[in-house]
Amino acid sequence: SSELTQDPAVSVALGQTVRITCHGDSLRAYFASWYRQKPGQAPILLIYGNNNRPSGIPDRFSGSRSGNTASLTITGTQAEDEADYYCNSRDSIGDPWVFGGGTRLTVL
Amino acid sequence: EVQLVESGGGVVQPGGSLRVSCAASGFSLKNYGMNWVRQAPGKGLEWISYINVVSTTIYYSDSVKGRFTVSRDNDNNSLFLQMSGLRHEDTAVYYCARDGLRGLAFDFWGQGTLVNVSS
Repeated sequence: SSELTQDPAVSVALGQTVRITCHGDSLRAYFASWYRQKPGQAPILLIYGNNNRPSGIPDRFSGSRSGNTASLTITGTQAEDEADYYCNSRDSIGDPWVFGGGTRLTVL
Repeated sequence: EVQLVESGGGVVQPGGSLRVSCAASGFSLKNYGMNWVRQAPGKGLEWISYINVVSTTIYYSDSVKGRFTVSRDNDNNSLFLQMSGLRHEDTAVYYCARDGLRGLAFDFWGQGTLVNVSS
């Protein structure tokens, strides 16, 4: 199956903006979604269809896609945003869904 | 309120079998495809299975194909994952997740159930 590649760890200063990226060939054909997972909790959906927020997700979270790269941007990062972030898309090779390896965000 | 609640996890010996369940409430399961996603301790998310609304389209990841079987009971709003031939590497938290937003994402997740394959 295809792979989605994420940086394992990213850090950001409190109140600043951070971009988390996801690279993969499947992103050229399929929409990206993004999930946040805090320790001991289930993932929650942050972004779907590359740049859409489900109801209840703050507008400081935004998504974009260019070519084979999807990005999640957090503006005005808060301490509560410290978590693991996963990208996800459909895949035409092998498994119908694929997840990135995850990015651990540290808020300094 | 949409809720997904997994149950049935536990400790099982290598080569053994276990069935985990996912009870849905707050929506009608018959209207949604469903997925199972697992997460090994300290690792990332791994999609492992999908079933469509009428159980006619089913997919498995290569890592579980031939050993795991997904099924659903729409009348009772329940999803199941029958696991057999369990291996140490199947140790993980197993989540059920709704295939929502017209198939664009997993819009709701359960809290997960831990399966520990250990002798």
